[in-house]
Amino acid sequence: QTVVTQEPSFSVSPGGTVTLTCGLTSGSVSTAHYPSWCQQNPGQAPRTLIYSTKTRSSGVPDRFSGSILGNKAALTITGAQADDESDYYCVLYVGSGLWVFGGGTKLTVL
Amino acid sequence: QVQLQESGPGLVKPSGTLSLTCAVSGVSISSSNWWSWVRQPPGKGLAWIGEVSHSGSTIYNPSLKSRVTISIDKSKSHFSLKLTSLTAADTALYFCARRYDFLSGSNRYTYFDYWGQGTLVTVSS
Repeated sequence: QTVVTQEPSFSVSPGGTVTLTCGLTSGSVSTAHYPSWCQQNPGQAPRTLIYSTKTRSSGVPDRFSGSILGNKAALTITGAQADDESDYYCVLYVGSGLWVFGGGTKLTVL
Repeated sequence: QVQLQESGPGLVKPSGTLSLTCAVSGVSISSSNWWSWVRQPPGKGLAWIGEVSHSGSTIYNPSLKSRVTISIDKSKSHFSLKLTSLTAADTALYFCARRYDFLSGSNRYTYFDYWGQGTLVTVSS
C-alpha cells in the first residue's frame, strides 16, 4: 500500500518562508504523480492551492508556490500571513487511476 | 458557478449501508471529468474513496473496494456513494469533489477543483 508522507506540523513566523514537503515511503515523487496541495480550515472543505506540481489555482496568491525538491513535492509559502495558519494536504496520483492523500501538515503562524 | 452538494442520512447503524448523493450544478455532469468521494474521520486526514467518470467508469480505493459503489445519474445531475458493512471506523465527514482533467498543449493537468461542503456520517447504534 502506497503511503504519502508529510510533516505532521510546522511553524513559521509572520512574514517568514516555510517549505512543506510530500514524499513517498517507497520511491521518489515526480511530476508524473501530478502533486496537488490543498488547504483546509477547520470545519471547511479543502481548497486546492497548487496542482500538477506548480500550477496555482485561480485566485491563489503568488506567495504560494509548488515544486519538486529532491525526491519530494514541495509547497513553499513566502511571506507567511496569519490566515495561512491551516492544515495542508498533498495528494498524489499513484498509478492505476488511484489517488492518495498525505496525512496533512498543521501549519502554525506565530 | 459550479456547486456540489452532498445529502444523505447523518446517522447509520453498524453493519448497515451508507448512501450519499452529490448534486452537481453550474456544470454539466456529462462533461469529461471525474466525480470523486473523499472522507475525513473526525480529527484525522483526508482519504480518497473513489470516483466515477461521466461515462460511468469507476475506480475505487483498494482498501474499500469490496464495500463501495459509486454511480452517476446524468438525468438527475448527481452522483452517489454506497458503502456497505459499516463500522465505527467509517464515521467521517464525507466530501464530494470534481476532479478536472485537461490537456494544455502537450501537458496534462488534473486536480480536485470543486468540493462540496461535506456531510457528517456517524455510524452508531
